[in-house]
Amino acid sequence: EIVLTQSPGTLSLSAGERATLSCRASQSVSSSYLAWYQQKPGQAPRLLIYGVSSRATGIPDRFSGSGSGTDFTLTISRLEPEDFAVYYCQQYGSSLTFGGGTKVEIK
Amino acid sequence: QVQLQESGPGLVKPSETLSLTCTVSGGSISGYYWSWIRQSPGKGLEWIGYIYYSGSTNYNPSLESRVAISVDTSKNQFSLKLSSVTAADTAVYYCARVGCGGGNCMYFDYWGQGTLVTVSS
Repeated sequence: EIVLTQSPGTLSLSAGERATLSCRASQSVSSSYLAWYQQKPGQAPRLLIYGVSSRATGIPDRFSGSGSGTDFTLTISRLEPEDFAVYYCQQYGSSLTFGGGTKVEIK
Repeated sequence: QVQLQESGPGLVKPSETLSLTCTVSGGSISGYYWSWIRQSPGKGLEWIGYIYYSGSTNYNPSLESRVAISVDTSKNQFSLKLSSVTAADTAVYYCARVGCGGGNCMYFDYWGQGTLVTVSS
C-alpha cells in the first residue's frame, strides 16, 4: 500500500498569502495518478486537482498542483477567506489511499 | 448537476451488518464507477471500494473480507454492506462518483453529504 504523508500538519497564514502544501508518497505514484481535495467542517471533500495538475471544473486558477514520482505540491497563490480548510491528497496509481491532511488556518 | 444522497441506519450494533444506500440524481448511474469512502477521527479518509455500473467491484484489501457493494441501475442506486462491525467502523460514510478525465481515472468528483454511522450496543 502506498502511504501518503502530508506536511505540515497545520499551516497558519493570512489572507492574501501563498500556501504551499506537500504530499510525499512512500513509493512512486504511477502515471500522475494524484488528486487533491478541500474539506470544510461538516462538508464532504471537494475535488480540486486530479492528474497532479489538472483543475477540476469550477476550481479557480489560484489553485495549482505539481510534482511527480513521490513528491507532490498543492499551491494556493493568494489565500482567500474561503480557502481556510483541510486539504487532502489521494493517489490512485496503486489501490487508492489518502494522506492525513493539512489544515490551513487563519493566522 | 449530479447529486448523491446516502441513507441508512445511523446506529448499528457490534457484530451486525452495516447497510447503506446511495441514490444518484441529476444523472445516470450507467457508464461510471461508484465508490464508498469513510472518514473517522482515528484513521482519516479511507477508501472502502468501488463498483462499475455493470456490477464489477474492487475493494480495499484491508476490508475485502467484510465488504460487499452492489448496484441497482433501475433505481439509480448503489449499496454498501459491511459485516461483523466493531466500534472501529464508526465513521462518516460517503458515497462518491469516480471521475475520469482524459484516461486519468479513479479520483472522486462528486460526493454525497455523508452519513454518520455509530457502532454501539
